[in-house]
Amino acid sequence: QVQLVQSGAEVKEPGASVKVSCKPSGYTFTTYDINWVRQATGQGLEWMGWMNPNNGNRAYAQKFQGRVTMTRSTSIGTAYMELSSLTSEDSAVYYCARDSGNGSPDYWGQGTLVTVSS
Amino acid sequence: QSVLTQPPSVSAAPGQKVSISCSGGSSNIGRNDVSWYQQLPGTAPKLLIHDNNKRPSGIPDRFSGSKSGTSVTLDITGLRTGDEADYYCGTWDSSLSAVVFGGGTKLTVL
Repeated sequence: QVQLVQSGAEVKEPGASVKVSCKPSGYTFTTYDINWVRQATGQGLEWMGWMNPNNGNRAYAQKFQGRVTMTRSTSIGTAYMELSSLTSEDSAVYYCARDSGNGSPDYWGQGTLVTVSS
Repeated sequence: QSVLTQPPSVSAAPGQKVSISCSGGSSNIGRNDVSWYQQLPGTAPKLLIHDNNKRPSGIPDRFSGSKSGTSVTLDITGLRTGDEADYYCGTWDSSLSAVVFGGGTKLTVL
């Protein structure tokens, strides 16, 4: 069965960076794009961008341009999302989600809580 | 402000039917297929409906989706207390080149 397992919760100070990992299983890593979506407490879903694990191509939501970097390691079948210059507004649960192939996610990771606090 | 518009909340009694609407525009719902997600408290979103009206394996037929123009609807029949959750619609927006979501609808089963 398809599963996406993410790294554990993080606490960061304002101005720092955070890197979240996402390791899919149950399918070939390079055959589906990976989306990153975040959700602040009590708020809705916010798409951050996607990455093609096969060729590394990526696209970011305009809001995060210049602050987010999505990468992957094909040798270990893992995707990464790094967000820099953190502020308290970046405190949220960050999800990776496999793209279904029609432009929206199907399978989701369990989420990684990122707390930005001094 | 979400690109797709959903009612903030809906409610109905156990056993009844509820409909959740999601409206968008010509660059998103009008052009692309829509998915629906169920998010139980404290958990990750789960795919309920894809391609407007298709259920993944394991999703009961109490859940159904439909599309008309630039709007989609999620119907849930035979409501159970376990259906209490937030429901989101999502699709690709061809103008924004981004995945867009509705603001979410909280379902309460009275």
